[in-house]
Amino acid sequence: AQTVTQSQPEMSVQEAETVTLSCTYDTSENNYYLFWYKQPPSRQMILVIRQEAYKQQNATENRFSVNFQKAAKSFSLKISDSQLGDTAMYFCAFMKHEGGSEKLVFGKGMKLTVNP
Amino acid sequence: GAGVSQSPRYKVAKRGQDVALRCDPISGHVSLFWYQQALGQGPEFLTYFQNEAQLDKSGLPSDRFFAERPEGSVSTLKIQRTQQEDSAVYLCASSIWDEQFFGPGTRLTVL
Repeated sequence: AQTVTQSQPEMSVQEAETVTLSCTYDTSENNYYLFWYKQPPSRQMILVIRQEAYKQQNATENRFSVNFQKAAKSFSLKISDSQLGDTAMYFCAFMKHEGGSEKLVFGKGMKLTVNP
Repeated sequence: GAGVSQSPRYKVAKRGQDVALRCDPISGHVSLFWYQQALGQGPEFLTYFQNEAQLDKSGLPSDRFFAERPEGSVSTLKIQRTQQEDSAVYLCASSIWDEQFFGPGTRLTVL
């Protein structure tokens, strides 16, 4: 079974600063996806960024980038130029890649607060 | 519609009542997932449909939980004889490939 661990329950950062959220996972699979989701107080889970395990290049999406270390089973999210709207719960998630849709396995989440 | 919708957004039930939670996926999305999110926790998988077929129900916590998707579109999650430990947010997600789109969830409170 796969597990996802987010060891930091809560972080705060000043607006415009850079923050890194950590995530480790455990799996015996070779083909999989990793995701970071954002969940603001409205509860709507929003995809921030995704990474295919077979790709060596780290994914980037505007101010969001990941540091994917497959051997170490580590998948951290870096948010640059933090904005007040980034305040939310952030969840790291794992999905097996077997040619179709699969269930997501989530970490416990981390509460990020961006202060003005 | 533009996204996944769920109804009701909030549900309060007395212990022992039956509840039904509805999910309208994005049109054309073949796969549909239900997750349970307890307070302060990450979502946990309950069950998965591909069209009308329920391919995985390994996450359903007890036989009081039942899900259906009879026509391969709208899905209903039913909880019979609700217990206090069923209090949680129930999230629905739909996908056509490997990206899941989530609804706003239904917050169930069992008194």
